[in-house]
Amino acid sequence: AQSVSQHNHHVILSEAASLELGCNYSYGGTVNLFWYVQYPGQHLQLLLKYFSGDPLVKGIKGFEAEFIKSKFSFNLRKPSVQWSDTAEYFCAVNSGSARQLTFGSGTQLTVLP
Amino acid sequence: DTAVSQTPKYLVTQMGNDKSIKCEQNLGHDTMYWYKQDSKKFLKIMFSYNNKELIINETVPNRFSPKSPDKAHLNLHINSLELGDSAVYFCASSQGSLAELDEQFFGPGTRLTVL
Repeated sequence: AQSVSQHNHHVILSEAASLELGCNYSYGGTVNLFWYVQYPGQHLQLLLKYFSGDPLVKGIKGFEAEFIKSKFSFNLRKPSVQWSDTAEYFCAVNSGSARQLTFGSGTQLTVLP
Repeated sequence: DTAVSQTPKYLVTQMGNDKSIKCEQNLGHDTMYWYKQDSKKFLKIMFSYNNKELIINETVPNRFSPKSPDKAHLNLHINSLELGDSAVYFCASSQGSLAELDEQFFGPGTRLTVL
């Protein structure tokens, strides 16, 4: 069964700091990878996704993620965070055999003004 | 125009009651889902429907019954509510029958509180 690990439970940064949130998955075959964001009191929105091709994926709001197959990782990055990036971030994966998205436990990002 | 909508947004009820949450998507998607998000923000899929047909049914008590009158709607009915059912329930949809390849669009969530 596929699984997703997000090791950072809560990250606190000051504005303009750089961000990297870790995501590791367990499935060894072909995977599709996603990062979703949930702003306080809102629904999940897609930040970016990787299906194939260039392993460096650019998403909305200046976010990017790099798929490193050898490390089973899909870390999320942003060079300079803003207060408005305060939210919960979820990594998700599905594989060809599992017809569903499996979410990580989420990382709460707090950006201090 | 709301792509995926859910009603109600908040639901407070007593243990033992029966309640329903409605979900509608106007994206023309073929596949719809229900997720449960617990107090620790952990998201877990409950059900998935493709063109009104159940394709995923995770380990969920049979007190939970999804109903899809048409492919734009997937309602969640819960019988004999228990304290542990308190959570935020999210509906989602995606295009196409191969659900694993598609981005999922989420509704605003329904916060269920069982007293």
